[in-house]
Amino acid sequence: ETGVTQSPTHLIKTRGQQVTLRCSSQSGHNTVSWYQQALGQGPQFIFQYYREEENGRGNFPPRFSGLQFPNYSSELNVNALELDDSALYLCASSLTPNTEAFFGQGTRLTVV
Amino acid sequence: SQQGEEDPQALSIQEGENATMNCSYKTSINNLQWYRQNSGRGLVHLILIRSNEREKHSGRLRVTLDTSKKSSSLLITASRAADTASYFCAVLIIQGAQKLVFGQGTRLTINP
Repeated sequence: ETGVTQSPTHLIKTRGQQVTLRCSSQSGHNTVSWYQQALGQGPQFIFQYYREEENGRGNFPPRFSGLQFPNYSSELNVNALELDDSALYLCASSLTPNTEAFFGQGTRLTVV
Repeated sequence: SQQGEEDPQALSIQEGENATMNCSYKTSINNLQWYRQNSGRGLVHLILIRSNEREKHSGRLRVTLDTSKKSSSLLITASRAADTASYFCAVLIIQGAQKLVFGQGTRLTINP
């Protein structure tokens, strides 16, 4: 157990809908990163939050947005869902942006 | 182009044998981390090696890093059936954002 929890574990949405995924970081960690992992691929960096501010973003469109709260938990929001958004979404927390990242079990999103 | 490319893509060995996986990358890195993933679940952090380190050990795991060749290897000694999983290397790159860049992974199968 890494102490990083994600909810929900599975989710089915319809194309065009919006979704919010949640992540509770490990105690003491102020950095949360989100990754998208398509089937058979390695995880792809979406963005990172450090002390409630976005600390960098990967090559994802603006309909992928996020938040980090004062307790360092985080949300990933995806608007106007597309079929290609179907993937495992992973949250990782770390003590600082460049130390070991510990991952949650992920949320499996299916867009139909 | 892809960072953290693993080789081989798939490896099948007998229980008790050693397994070696390799990873190559293209840019300067802060550190390199190895992860294990079982059947599309969350990533388990195995080991982190910093750019100024050459070798690290953790239990049956040995990781080497050659920054001149931009490569790393993960050795699992005395393999067990429970080691069957996908293994990913991830390089921490600081280019504005601080992000882990993953390869496609090596699928390791340990045969009893």
